Amino acid sequence: IAGITQAPTSQILAAGRRMTLRCTQDMRHNAMYWYRQDLGLGLRLIHYSNTAGTTGKGEVPDGYSVSRANTDDFPLTLASAVPSQTSVYFCASSLDARYTEAFFGQGTRLTVV
Amino acid sequence: ILNVEQSPQSLHVQEGDSTNFTCSFPSSNFYALHWYRWETAKSPEALFVMTLNGDEKKKGRISATLNTKEGYSYLYIKGSQPEDSATYLCAFSNTGNQFYFGTGTSLTVIP
Repeated sequence: IAGITQAPTSQILAAGRRMTLRCTQDMRHNAMYWYRQDLGLGLRLIHYSNTAGTTGKGEVPDGYSVSRANTDDFPLTLASAVPSQTSVYFCASSLDARYTEAFFGQGTRLTVV
Repeated sequence: ILNVEQSPQSLHVQEGDSTNFTCSFPSSNFYALHWYRWETAKSPEALFVMTLNGDEKKKGRISATLNTKEGYSYLYIKGSQPEDSATYLCAFSNTGNQFYFGTGTSLTVIP
C-alpha cells in the first residue's frame, strides 16, 4: 500500500538511551518532516528535509537529529532521551515543500521514563 | 518561529448547524495555507491547499477562503454532521520551506 510508514508504533524508553524513529515513504516525495504533538501545543516541527541530502532545523530541534540519505527514508534520532521528549511523533511528506499537501504517517507514541 | 493562531479552540454545535473557524497567520512572505482534518486516533488528512489571495476552495459541505493581505483564512462547514467531529488544523508555509501549524479547533457535533 503506497504511503508513509512509521516504526515503531509505540515505545517505552529509559532516559539516557538512544532511539531512532523510522519513517519511510514510497510516493517519491521530495520533502519530509518530523513533528511532535503535545497537548495544547499542536504539531511542532522538529526537523525537515526539502530533498535528499539536505536537512533543516524546525521549531524544536534540540535533542534530535535527522538524516536524509535517500528520497524514501527520514529517520529521527534521539541521542540521549529525556522525559520531556515524551510525545507522539508524526512523520510527514509532500511532493514539494510549499504548494502541495502533506501526507502523515500513523504516528509513534514515545514514553521516556 | 511563526505564530499561527486558530480560533475558537473548541466548538460544540448541534447536528445541522453551520459553523466556521478562523486561522490567522503572518501576512509577509506568504506561500501557502493548508487546512487539515484530524480525527482522534488517526493521522491528519489534507482538506485544502490555498496559495492565492482570494482563493476559495470547496469539498462537499466544507469550504475555505483565504485573505493573504490581512493574514487570515476561514473554514466553513455547512449543515454539520456527527462525522464532521474532529480537530481542524491550519498550516502556514513561508519562504523557509516549512509548515507551521496552529493548535487547531476541536469540533464536536452533537446528534
